[in-house]
Amino acid sequence: QVQLAGSGGGVVQPGRSLRLSCAASGLTFNNYGMHWVRQAPGKGLEWVAVISSDGKTQVYADSVKGRFTISRDNSRSTLFLQLNSLRTEDTAVYYCAKAGFVGSYMFYFDYWGQGALVTVSS
Amino acid sequence: DIVMTQSPDSLAVSLGERATINCKSSQSVLYSPNNKDYLAWYQQKPGQPPKLLIYWASTRESGVPDRFSGSGSGTDFTLTINSLQAEDVAVYYCQQYYSTPITFGQGTRLEIK
Repeated sequence: QVQLAGSGGGVVQPGRSLRLSCAASGLTFNNYGMHWVRQAPGKGLEWVAVISSDGKTQVYADSVKGRFTISRDNSRSTLFLQLNSLRTEDTAVYYCAKAGFVGSYMFYFDYWGQGALVTVSS
Repeated sequence: DIVMTQSPDSLAVSLGERATINCKSSQSVLYSPNNKDYLAWYQQKPGQPPKLLIYWASTRESGVPDRFSGSGSGTDFTLTINSLQAEDVAVYYCQQYYSTPITFGQGTRLEIK
């Protein structure tokens, strides 16, 4: 079955960088758009970014635009999120999520990773 | 941006009774060319990622019990949970995937009365 295994979280100081990974299995990875969604402690869900199945299109939330970069390696079935210039308000659990249908990334999310906790603190 | 507003923020329902959660979008999420509402519902239990329950506003995801149902179109949507079970205690979110940024409602916490 489909599995999304997130990794790379940790504690980092403000202004520093971190890279998250999401390894996918049980699916033809290069058929699907992929998303990152975050959830601050005790808060709701916030969409962060999406990348198309071929990696050519990326769209970001305004709150992370210019600081975060979404990418993918279809040969390794892995999704990435590079987090630069981190702020305390970026502290959250970061989930990778799979678009629910082949082709367009504008679909519901049918599978989610377990999440990676990023804590930004001095 | 499309703003998603859920009501109520929290809800307590007796076991076996019906729970109703509402979601309103600030603009229509109905895509006319295919007549589909780009609206999904998720359930999140503590320490777990969200789980997809309903998509296209009313299509139940495979494996989701049929006591969960979604309705509505355009800007007004409802998630109904019939015959509430103890395992349904969770936070429920609506989501629009009609346009970016994809947005979620603030969540509705469902408890047992």
